[in-house]
Amino acid sequence: DAGITQSPRHKVTETGTPVTLRCHQTENHRYMYWYRQDPGHGLRLIHYSYGVKDTDKGEVSDGYSVSRSKTEDFLLTLESATSSQTSVYFCAISEGNEQFFGPGTRLTVL
Amino acid sequence: GESVGLHLPTLSVQEGDNSIINCAYSNSASDYFIWYKQESGKGPQFIIDIRSNMDKRQGQRVTVLLNKTVKHLSLQIAATQPGDSAVYFCAVPTYTGNQFYFGTGTSLTVIP
Repeated sequence: DAGITQSPRHKVTETGTPVTLRCHQTENHRYMYWYRQDPGHGLRLIHYSYGVKDTDKGEVSDGYSVSRSKTEDFLLTLESATSSQTSVYFCAISEGNEQFFGPGTRLTVL
Repeated sequence: GESVGLHLPTLSVQEGDNSIINCAYSNSASDYFIWYKQESGKGPQFIIDIRSNMDKRQGQRVTVLLNKTVKHLSLQIAATQPGDSAVYFCAVPTYTGNQFYFGTGTSLTVIP
């Protein structure tokens, strides 16, 4: 599992509330990623990071922000959650040409 | 940009039969391909990869075939077992290798 953990694993929240998901890695990987996974879609990249305080947008970044203040943690924030952000969120790291994924966070926005 | 698609959203096979899962990609310059397996409630896990200088690569009970002419790759699972039931994705890195495009996945169900 490349030492990747995500928290929380499940969360139910209400529309308009802020939500922060945490990804933690133990192996000092430089690149970290946040994806969302929805039925009928492949994994879609939200944001990624290539180092501390270095981040960039992915394909579906609207409504999301990220922060990486230290190598091991990559935070995904929904400033004001909407029902369209109900999804399963995966964090990943890359090692060479491979990506290794965390166990996922199931987020439900009511 | 790249697009990656899988041919069938679902596939059912009898236990012991061989399974073939297909994937098409759009960028002829793509030079590396990965197959992932995702079990219910878990994150995707790496199965096997192949570089564009190869047509075939074999792992344990899995084989990936690459046809660069038609931009198609397939994952073959021999003697499919119930534990093979999962969603299978192909993925193609971008030219920088730092981002990936993922197919939508084929859900494989193994019938005992």
